Amino acid sequence: GAVVSQHPSRVICKSGTSVKIECRSLDFQATTMFWYRQFPKKSLMLMATSNEGSKATYEQGVEKDKFLINHASLTLSTLTVTSAHPEDSSFYICSAGQGTSADTQYFGPGTRLTVL
Amino acid sequence: GEDVEQSLFLSVREGDSSVINCTYTDSSSTYLYWYKQEPGAGLQLLTYIFSNMDMKQDQRLTVLLNKKDKHLSLRIADTQTGDSAIYFCARDNFNKFYFGSGTKLNVKP
Repeated sequence: GAVVSQHPSRVICKSGTSVKIECRSLDFQATTMFWYRQFPKKSLMLMATSNEGSKATYEQGVEKDKFLINHASLTLSTLTVTSAHPEDSSFYICSAGQGTSADTQYFGPGTRLTVL
Repeated sequence: GEDVEQSLFLSVREGDSSVINCTYTDSSSTYLYWYKQEPGAGLQLLTYIFSNMDMKQDQRLTVLLNKKDKHLSLRIADTQTGDSAIYFCARDNFNKFYFGSGTKLNVKP
């Protein structure tokens, strides 16, 4: 089946640095990808929709200058957490799909970000 | 999305049935889903149900949907220790997913 990968799986960084997380669709092209954030023991919250070749669409309350999204190709979207702070520590998950049917959206394995 | 709610914990004994409940307020989604998340891992799609269906059975899993009450449930028959995980119900809107808070299922041997 279709696979979505994320890199890195874990990252630890110092406060004030920027971190880039990659989301790749491995065997299909995705014009749209989605980024989610999961706080410890909390649900996943949709952050933004990544659109290939155009600007991302952010959900209400998500700072677009803080979380930069670049969807440069049909198989790659990147999320950059800029000037990271400890409160940005979270589990970030992307998803990508091939269509609109129920079982065509695939989630990546997630990236655990820890900001010291 | 705050419109999808679940109870936070469920504890059962191995071999018993588990029933995880979910309520939602926005009924516009075409499908409703159940995902499983094991510690430190990503999401695994368990099953989904079309919004016009009342029930769907898939091996040990049974999904019940009460559209009138906006209530979704997942029943796991013969629960095993390997079923211990967090279970999320979710709805989608054009591939954007809105998740419940997750129910942590603890299966005691």
